[in-house]
Amino acid sequence: GESVGLHLPTLSVQEGDNSIINCAYSNSASDYFIWYKQESGKGPQFIIDIRSNMDKRQGQRVTVLLNKTVKHLSLQIAATQPGDSAVYFCAEAFRANSKLTFGKGITLSVRP
Amino acid sequence: SAVISQKPSRDICQRGTSLTIQCQVDSQVTMMFWYRQQPGQSLTLIATANQGSEATYESGFVIDKFPISRPNLTFSTLTVSNMSPEDSSIYLCSVRGLAGEGTDTQYFGPGTRLTVL
Repeated sequence: GESVGLHLPTLSVQEGDNSIINCAYSNSASDYFIWYKQESGKGPQFIIDIRSNMDKRQGQRVTVLLNKTVKHLSLQIAATQPGDSAVYFCAEAFRANSKLTFGKGITLSVRP
Repeated sequence: SAVISQKPSRDICQRGTSLTIQCQVDSQVTMMFWYRQQPGQSLTLIATANQGSEATYESGFVIDKFPISRPNLTFSTLTVSNMSPEDSSIYLCSVRGLAGEGTDTQYFGPGTRLTVL
């Protein structure tokens, strides 16, 4: 798999490989983080979230990692499929019920 | 999760006119929000729609330009007033606090794609 920071807006991966999408968040006091997937012509779709008292959380084929020391969040997608092609947004919040601040978004393109 | 619908799904409008976008949720929710997403950009929060009271606007957004209503726990409207081409964007309804779910997960509607000529 490949990883990319926010300064590289597109990530291209081979179908079947693992994808790693990275996000640097801004507020060291943020307590809640969330990843969304937005397919073309659709609204953002919730993928997975994590609170600051955790370093890792797993879902179905996805894992979110949180490194509070360097204010870094990543989304790992196992065995990437063509249906994973989309724009991915990270978002942070001071608390789980406070307003979300969104990152710039990264386009994931899956090569067949 | 919630089923969130928006009407219209897209529209093309003339400058100087106004458009009202509707958001309907299939279950009661605690919070409703309106976001704007300009082409190729991230999401920007316009305001939080409060039931029975005036919406809470973010910096750079005002009630005269984006009046919002929320008459109950499942419905909200956003009006884009006196439109200009700069208002061309995707407008997204978002909700949090679904009845019976017990989480803070925030969900989004499909969006309304607005083009102003």
